[in-house]
Amino acid sequence: DADVTQTPRNRITKTGKRIMLECSQTKGHDRMYWYRQDPGLGLRLIYYSFDVKDINKGEISDGYSVSRQAQAKFSLSLESAIPNQTALYFCATSDRSGTSERNEQFFGPGTRLTVL
Amino acid sequence: AQSVTQLDSHVSVSEGTPVLLRCNYSSSYSPSLFWYVQHPNKGLQLLLKYTSAATLVKGINGFEAEFKKSETSFHLTKPSAHMSDAAEYFCVVSDPNTGNQFYFGTGTSLTVIP
Repeated sequence: DADVTQTPRNRITKTGKRIMLECSQTKGHDRMYWYRQDPGLGLRLIYYSFDVKDINKGEISDGYSVSRQAQAKFSLSLESAIPNQTALYFCATSDRSGTSERNEQFFGPGTRLTVL
Repeated sequence: AQSVTQLDSHVSVSEGTPVLLRCNYSSSYSPSLFWYVQHPNKGLQLLLKYTSAATLVKGINGFEAEFKKSETSFHLTKPSAHMSDAAEYFCVVSDPNTGNQFYFGTGTSLTVIP
């Protein structure tokens, strides 16, 4: 079973609709992240959370909001979707402990969102 | 502030020839550096990482990278390209002192010619 899962994997919606992308992880990590990927731009950070009570804006948070419902769940919402939010969205997790996984981020499979 | 520059947006090599994907970084601190690979319609997979141990880092699938502080570089290499290496490659810098925020390069698309 995948350690980081995202739902849905693909979504087509219309301008002005509200949409939520969900991320769940079984790695027990404290930190979770949302990125969007656009061709030629790499991945850009939207929001990140270091624990349930700690939410931070990333580089491109305008037009997005997040909710950290539990340590294992981190949701991204588009309150009123617009066409330039069409992108591939990735969730990621990381561990702050002193294990060998420290500093590395683990990515979900991505959600392809199209806003018409 | 941290940033990453991948010097080539596209690289084409013939199967069996060496691969070189270039990455330069800017960081105020001793960074952690990573290379991730993304195959078509797939998520991101870690190839290798540098976290202040040995400067020559070996990763999966025969890839390796050398951290050169004097040149602020972390180039990815492989002695012999395989068709399955065709993918998008991302160089990433992270500063553990600021919560492990990742800063991605814009990616290099590797094409392997049969």
